[in-house]
Amino acid sequence: QSALTQPRSVSGSPGQSVTISCTGTSSDVGGYNLVSWYQQHPGKGPRLIIYDVTEGPSGVPDRFSGSKSGNTASLTISGLQAEDEADYYCSSYAGRDIYVFGTGTEVTVL
Amino acid sequence: QVQLVQSGADVKKPGASVKVSCKASGYTFSDHYLYWVRQAPGQGLESMGMIKPTTGSTAYSQKFQGRLTLTRDTSTNTLYMDLSSLTSDDTAVYYCVRNTFSGFDFWGQGTLVTVSS
Repeated sequence: QSALTQPRSVSGSPGQSVTISCTGTSSDVGGYNLVSWYQQHPGKGPRLIIYDVTEGPSGVPDRFSGSKSGNTASLTISGLQAEDEADYYCSSYAGRDIYVFGTGTEVTVL
Repeated sequence: QVQLVQSGADVKKPGASVKVSCKASGYTFSDHYLYWVRQAPGQGLESMGMIKPTTGSTAYSQKFQGRLTLTRDTSTNTLYMDLSSLTSDDTAVYYCVRNTFSGFDFWGQGTLVTVSS
């Protein structure tokens, strides 16, 4: 049950797109279409922004999108905005009612 | 509206145990599994374990086996997380979280547990 691997940080200018990768194994990311993504602003709790790899909850801007290929899932933020500056975490089901989180990525808007 | 309201911050000495509560409201308690997730200062999210509200059965991450106990009280829709043999590494914000199988859709406000001599 090792943490999923994410880049420590990514950055982009307003209006640009950034992509965050989330690499696991065939026992978690690659084995289930149950990858979710969370946004966390400083001092706040996490917020669900993507579930089931590609689905966005109501109220989440559609500039957030998800995908998966093999053991790696990705979150893309299109049309980057200042309020998108936050930490982002992926999570995947790993079987037997266990979920594993990613190491987290800090997104900076330049 | 769905709410998960947790107990307040706590300070414990090394070797002690801590018990954090989480009261659920705004939905049918038995419809969703509930998880505990913690976050050490400046660190990432870490899943600890889950409880099924209907049966009380649990599943714990390997790291916490033997030292974590999750329980629930269906008469008050309240969850409890009991972590024993605390060390300074257990200093963290602890969240109770509702699971939809697809993801974690509602989070408690978090409870800061500080372990210090």
